[in-house]
Amino acid sequence: DTEVTQTPKHLVMGMTNKKSLKCEQHMGHRAMYWYKQKAKKPPELMFVYSYEKLSINESVPSRFSPECPNSSLLNLHLHALQPEDSALYLCASSQGAATNYGYTFGSGTRLTVV
Amino acid sequence: AQSVTQLGSHVSVSEGALVLLRCNYSSSVPPYLFWYVQYPNQGLQLLLKYTSAATLVKGINGFEAEFKKSETSFHLTKPSAHMSDAAEYFCAVKGDKLIFGTGTRLQVFP
Repeated sequence: DTEVTQTPKHLVMGMTNKKSLKCEQHMGHRAMYWYKQKAKKPPELMFVYSYEKLSINESVPSRFSPECPNSSLLNLHLHALQPEDSALYLCASSQGAATNYGYTFGSGTRLTVV
Repeated sequence: AQSVTQLGSHVSVSEGALVLLRCNYSSSVPPYLFWYVQYPNQGLQLLLKYTSAATLVKGINGFEAEFKKSETSFHLTKPSAHMSDAAEYFCAVKGDKLIFGTGTRLQVFP
């Protein structure tokens, strides 16, 4: 298995809703990442987990809450989002957080906040 | 801080023509450089990576890139464009995190 699987593929939520994005990989990778990508822009790093511990938080608002229950699974819990949070949310994984490892990306969750 | 700059937000070529997508990097240490491709409504796929083993790096789908330290460049090339190459291409540099350039949209005309 050489894939990163993200669910759901599309999500529409109201500003008072609570929802979660899920990311799963079975490649034995020990680092996992959340990126946010706005239309016609490059992905922007949000969080890095290394060996199931949060190692980088790029000053992301607290309405985004990451969770890494085990080495294969990464969640992003969403609460009280704003319309400007609408974007493609990408999950990625790599063998480790060391510098020469490429990332494997999932297909993303297209989030629309109404 | 490390960064990459992609010159040209849009590149258009005819099918069968040479593809050249430009990327320049800024780094105080030997960089780890990557090229990714993103097709519409998809995630990113790794095309190739430079990790100092060889300056000419061959990737998937016929793409290659040459690391030139004197020019601080890592340009992506393909000898003959195919319609299926139309996509967004991102150059990226990795230190403690992977940082992307602004992207280049490649259009291929028949």
